Amino acid sequence: ETGVTQSPTHLIKTRGQQVTLRCSSQSGHNTVSWYQQALGQGPQFIFQYYREEENGRGNFPPRFSGLQFPNYSSELNVNALELDDSALYLCASRLTSGGINEQFFGPGTRLTVL
Amino acid sequence: KNQVEQSPQSLIILEGKNCTLQCNYTVSPFSNLRWYKQDTGRGPVSLTIMTFSENTKSNGRYTATLDADTKQSSLHITASQLSDSASYICVVNVTGGGNKLTFGTGTQLKVEL
Repeated sequence: ETGVTQSPTHLIKTRGQQVTLRCSSQSGHNTVSWYQQALGQGPQFIFQYYREEENGRGNFPPRFSGLQFPNYSSELNVNALELDDSALYLCASRLTSGGINEQFFGPGTRLTVL
Repeated sequence: KNQVEQSPQSLIILEGKNCTLQCNYTVSPFSNLRWYKQDTGRGPVSLTIMTFSENTKSNGRYTATLDADTKQSSLHITASQLSDSASYICVVNVTGGGNKLTFGTGTQLKVEL
């Protein structure tokens, strides 16, 4: 176990709806990243939060947004869901410091958009 | 075009045999290269992390190599076990990218009796 948890494990939504996915980082970690992984593909970077501020974003539209809370838990919000948003959503946490920062992944949330 | 290409896409081997997975990348410059193991429906788990100056790194039966000149890496698995069945993903950490990771599409390994 990595100490990173995500909820819910599975979720089914319909097109146009909004969804909130949650992640609880490993204790002491101040950075969280979110990834989208389509079936048979590698994870794609959505964005990253460091000390409650977004400090990096991948090629995803603004309807993908996030929050990081003082206790370093975080949320991924997706508005106006599209069929192509169906994927496994992973969060990964780490402690940002000098040198190589190991990322620890949660088990993911499987989102299905109908 | 993906900046991290892996081959083969899938592989089936018999238990106890060795195998080598390949990774070619175009991402540059990078600070480190990682190999992850991902079981179906689970999050990736780190196997090895190599900086651009390292040539090899081992973790039990897993040995990763890196050739920064040719931009190639490999993951060698010895004495495979049924539990090695998973997707193996090569990941490059882009320098100055805020520790953003660029993932390959993975090699799906199946170990059979």
